[in-house]
Amino acid sequence: ILNVEQSPQSLHVQEGDSTNFTCSFPSSNFYALHWYRWETAKSPEALFVMTLNGDEKKKGRISATLNTKEGYSYLYIKGSQPEDSATYLCARTHAGGTSYGKLTFGQGTILTVHP
Amino acid sequence: KAGVTQTPRYLIKTRGQQVTLSCSPISGHRSVSWYQQTPGQGLQFLFEYFSETQRNKGNFPGRFSGRQFSNSRSEMNVSTLELGDSALYLCASSLSNRLTGTGELFFGEGSRLTVL
Repeated sequence: ILNVEQSPQSLHVQEGDSTNFTCSFPSSNFYALHWYRWETAKSPEALFVMTLNGDEKKKGRISATLNTKEGYSYLYIKGSQPEDSATYLCARTHAGGTSYGKLTFGQGTILTVHP
Repeated sequence: KAGVTQTPRYLIKTRGQQVTLSCSPISGHRSVSWYQQTPGQGLQFLFEYFSETQRNKGNFPGRFSGRQFSNSRSEMNVSTLELGDSALYLCASSLSNRLTGTGELFFGEGSRLTVL
């Protein structure tokens, strides 16, 4: 994998469903993996920043896991609510660590939660 | 505390003109980075500034430039505008410190540029 890739591109779920998305990235020269939520007409907001293989992070109903050896991360949303509707972006920071501002983003997964 | 502020929020220019966008980072953040989003494209990295120095540059033509001032505020400039420069330009700031920061970016709401 040369770039950051996210799947699926879009997802429609019913309120109360649990869902998950995938982020695949080059495993070489890995430093950190970010997840952001971007709601319409707002600015992207950081959900998680993960650096360690096997890392798991949780914020409310949202959690994420990281596998740096195989180059993937999963984002899970338990009991989706309409307010979870947003574009979810993952991005990686490259090794070197001196440049936190340079991220390579995936295309995003657009989540729509229907009431 | 106040978030990242970008001005102007919307602007319309014609081909050949130039444009300057401004970004005020969160107080205490010394790193400012710029991203471009066009329809069908993900966020594309433009450049990053830290302590008034350009630390990284993305794969964009020389028409795209930027700078950072001593108060960490940043501007980006696009000269000789082309239709393809129509995009949402996002600015983000971060602490950029291994010991005190997580490295997460704090984004502004963006400047939407339309080139006619």
